[in-house]
Amino acid sequence: GEDVEQSLFLSVREGDSSVINCTYTDSSSTYLYWYKQEPGAGLQLLTYIFSNMDMKQDQRLTVLLNKKDKHLSLRIADTQTGDSAIYFCAELNQAGTALIFGKGTTLSVSS
Amino acid sequence: EAGVVQSPRYKIIEKKQPVAFWCNPISGHNTLYWYRQNLGQGPELLIRYENEEAVDDSQLPKDRFSAERLKGVDSTLKIQPAELGDSAVYLCASSSRVTITDTQYFGPGTRLTVL
Repeated sequence: GEDVEQSLFLSVREGDSSVINCTYTDSSSTYLYWYKQEPGAGLQLLTYIFSNMDMKQDQRLTVLLNKKDKHLSLRIADTQTGDSAIYFCAELNQAGTALIFGKGTTLSVSS
Repeated sequence: EAGVVQSPRYKIIEKKQPVAFWCNPISGHNTLYWYRQNLGQGPELLIRYENEEAVDDSQLPKDRFSAERLKGVDSTLKIQPAELGDSAVYLCASSSRVTITDTQYFGPGTRLTVL
């Protein structure tokens, strides 16, 4: 079945880069997503990548996709305290109709 | 453009009581989703609507959960009776169409606590 795995916690200092990793099981996934959830809030879409891409950059965010290893990463450059949140990796299910989420990685940024 | 609106934001009830959650999707979005997010977990899909039709409710516990989307706009998710294990955040999301490029936008959620 479809499954998404993430490391649970990451702690970085302000100004450093953060790298959040994710592995997924469904090799037929066409789109992979990163969502951010702040305390008491819903999920905010950060970025997504199509499976035929290796990399996507959007301002401070860089997404790397290794389709062979089914590994996805999100790099946040110059991490700020406002980036502290839970980050969810998600893949589109085989039917292309729903998202399968990981358990989320809690990013803690200290000043 | 207004985002997905959900109410109430918080709800505390005793077990065996009924509860209902309401969602207003982004204007023009014909696909609506209800997800449940347990503590420390990612969201899991409960039901998906295309306009007023429930096209995927395979994960909805039908013995106690029900949902409707009258006129293909607002939606209500109901639990009757609620159990302790139903404590979670219930998230509503919407998207403009069902394609592989479709992006789901989430509301802030309703945090349910069952005592």
